[in-house]
Amino acid sequence: EAGVAQSPRYKIIEKRQSVAFWCNPISGHATLYWYQQILGQGPKLLIQFQNNGVVDDSQLPKDRFSAERLKGVDSTLKIQPAKLEDSAVYLCASTRWATGELFFGEGSRLTVL
Amino acid sequence: RKEVEQDPGPFNVPEGATVAFNCTYSNSASQSFFWYRQDCRKEPKLLMSVYSSGNEDGRFTAQLNRASQYISLLIRDSKLSDSATYLCVVFYGQNFVFGPGTRLSVLP
Repeated sequence: EAGVAQSPRYKIIEKRQSVAFWCNPISGHATLYWYQQILGQGPKLLIQFQNNGVVDDSQLPKDRFSAERLKGVDSTLKIQPAKLEDSAVYLCASTRWATGELFFGEGSRLTVL
Repeated sequence: RKEVEQDPGPFNVPEGATVAFNCTYSNSASQSFFWYRQDCRKEPKLLMSVYSSGNEDGRFTAQLNRASQYISLLIRDSKLSDSATYLCVVFYGQNFVFGPGTRLSVLP
């Protein structure tokens, strides 16, 4: 079974530029999460999708972050404009059911200069 | 108060040592509990779920005390390969909430 796929693995941009990350979850997993992990901290939830609907986006900085999951499969997370404090690893995870095991992708490491 | 708190670490222990990690959570309505392991520059992976009755998987034992809102992880006979960050995870509402992690280094 293929794992969670994410791209790009690494991205370096200057502040105020935009960036987009892509995630393809494990086939059949209805729930998809985007987490932000700053160095030395645990992952922090940005947004949760159930199929193509948003379950929780309360911690998503909506003035600069947006995410979508069209057709209930893959998802895109966008940051525009980026700030220095957005430097982090963006982890995508999926689960088959709401309380099941979280399967993470390898993450997209963002550096904002 | 943070939702999930863990020992700050890092823990540096010799091979063969026994090491214990502690975690506390603030929301008494929390439903499920887990320990995840994260190797350096890798993604987190499930180590084990935690049940009220306690559970064991080889050298790893997890305990849950709902009354005290406390979770623990015990690693016996530490191996070099156990070096990683251990993340305490709590599920409530519809979300998984991660603690900050405790880093373990097992030294030869």
